[in-house]
Amino acid sequence: GQNIDQPTEMTATEGAIVQINCTYQTSGFNGLFWYQQHAGEAPTFLSYNVVDGLEEKGRFSSFLSRSKGYSYLLLKELQMKDSASYLCAVPSNTGKLIFGQGTTLQVKP
Amino acid sequence: EPEVTQTPSHQVTQMGQEVILRCVPISNHLYFYWYRQILGQKVEFLVSFYNNEISEKSEIFDDQFSVERPDGSNFTLKIRSTKLEDSAMYFCASSGWVVEGYTGELFFGEGSRLTVL
Repeated sequence: GQNIDQPTEMTATEGAIVQINCTYQTSGFNGLFWYQQHAGEAPTFLSYNVVDGLEEKGRFSSFLSRSKGYSYLLLKELQMKDSASYLCAVPSNTGKLIFGQGTTLQVKP
Repeated sequence: EPEVTQTPSHQVTQMGQEVILRCVPISNHLYFYWYRQILGQKVEFLVSFYNNEISEKSEIFDDQFSVERPDGSNFTLKIRSTKLEDSAMYFCASSGWVVEGYTGELFFGEGSRLTVL
């Protein structure tokens, strides 16, 4: 089965950089997704990593280490609108996404 | 940009009543999902649907739940006799491809908030 761990909450300051970690255990590995979810809204796709290394996409980057079962999402130049939950998710061997608990990020002025 | 649409956005019902939540997935997608999220908790998988049949369901998806794709565009989730603990946000999602466990990005609808009194 799959098991995903993320910190429950984080706080950061506007303009700063924050790293949100995710560790996972899976019976097989088919990539790792990060989604953003604002309160009361749907999850929206941020990134997908399937090979080791850092993928950069604007202010957001995602890193994967398959050997360590570890990923992180890096948010640069934080803005108030980045206050949201960040969900780490891995596909099962049947393709369905299994989500972690999510990390609620609060950005303060 | 193509999107998944869901109706209703919010439904209040009495315990024991039947509820149908509707979804229109992205038109060229083949894989459809229902997830639910109880307030303050994680997004949980309910059921996946492909080629007009359920491909997988979770322990949550018991005999009170059913899914249907009645007309080639709509994808519905029915709860036959709602319980208080069914109160949650229900998200429909669709994906363009699944190959040996690898999946394309899941696109989520805005959700249907179900409140059972």
